[in-house]
Amino acid sequence: SQQGEEDPQALSIQEGENATMNCSYKTSINNLQWYRQNSGRGLVHLILIRSNEREKHSGRLRVTLDTSKKSSSLLITASRAADTASYFCATGASGGSYIPTFGRGTSLIVHP
Amino acid sequence: NAGVTQTPKFQVLKTGQSMTLQCAQDMNHEYMSWYRQDPGMGLRLIHYSVGAGITDQGEVPNGYNVSRSTTEDFPLRLLSAAPSQTSVYFCASRLYRPGHYNEQFFGPGTRLTVL
Repeated sequence: SQQGEEDPQALSIQEGENATMNCSYKTSINNLQWYRQNSGRGLVHLILIRSNEREKHSGRLRVTLDTSKKSSSLLITASRAADTASYFCATGASGGSYIPTFGRGTSLIVHP
Repeated sequence: NAGVTQTPKFQVLKTGQSMTLQCAQDMNHEYMSWYRQDPGMGLRLIHYSVGAGITDQGEVPNGYNVSRSTTEDFPLRLLSAAPSQTSVYFCASRLYRPGHYNEQFFGPGTRLTVL
C-alpha cells in the first residue's frame, strides 16, 4: 500500500508563478522526502524534512510539514519551464526498516 | 562517480522468457532497491537489500528474484516474464544507517515490454 498521496494529480501554471503541491499520509512518520522526476528519467532527491521540523528551504523550494494533519506541502517559487516534471513525496515510517514509501506524484507543467 | 547505472535501457521480451536487469553503484552504498513504476501507480518496491548477502521482499515481489553478492551490484531476475510485468524499472541506492533515512540515488531506468 502507498503511504503518501500527492494532490493535485496535475498542475499547469505559467512561468514566474508559484507552484504548490501537497502530500497527505496516514501513519506516523520519521521523515518525509520530496523527489523530482523529469520525463523518462530517474528520480532526483530534492529535500528531506524530519518529523520534528516544520519548515525547510532549499533555493526556490520551501517544504512544510504538519504532523498533526499528516500533511506536507512543496512550494516552488518563481517557477521556470525547467521545473516541468513529476514530483513525488516519500514517507519514512517511524520504526521499522526505514524504507520510504512513494506516492503517485503530481505532474507539473510550467508554460514559458 | 557514475552513480547508479542500469542496463539495458530498453528490453522487449516474449511471455515466458527470462532475463536479468543489471544495476550497479559506485558510491559504496549498503542499501539497494528495485522499484517498478506504472502509469498512475507511482513507485512500488519489489525487493531491497541492506548489504551483501542480505535481501528482502518489498510490496510486489512475485515473479522476481534478486541476489546481492557484492556491495556494488544488485541484479533483478524475471523468472518467466508476463505481460503484467511490462513497466519501467528503477534501481536505487543509499547509505544505510539504522535509525536514519538518507536520500536515495536512482538509476535512469529500464523500460521493459513483455509481449
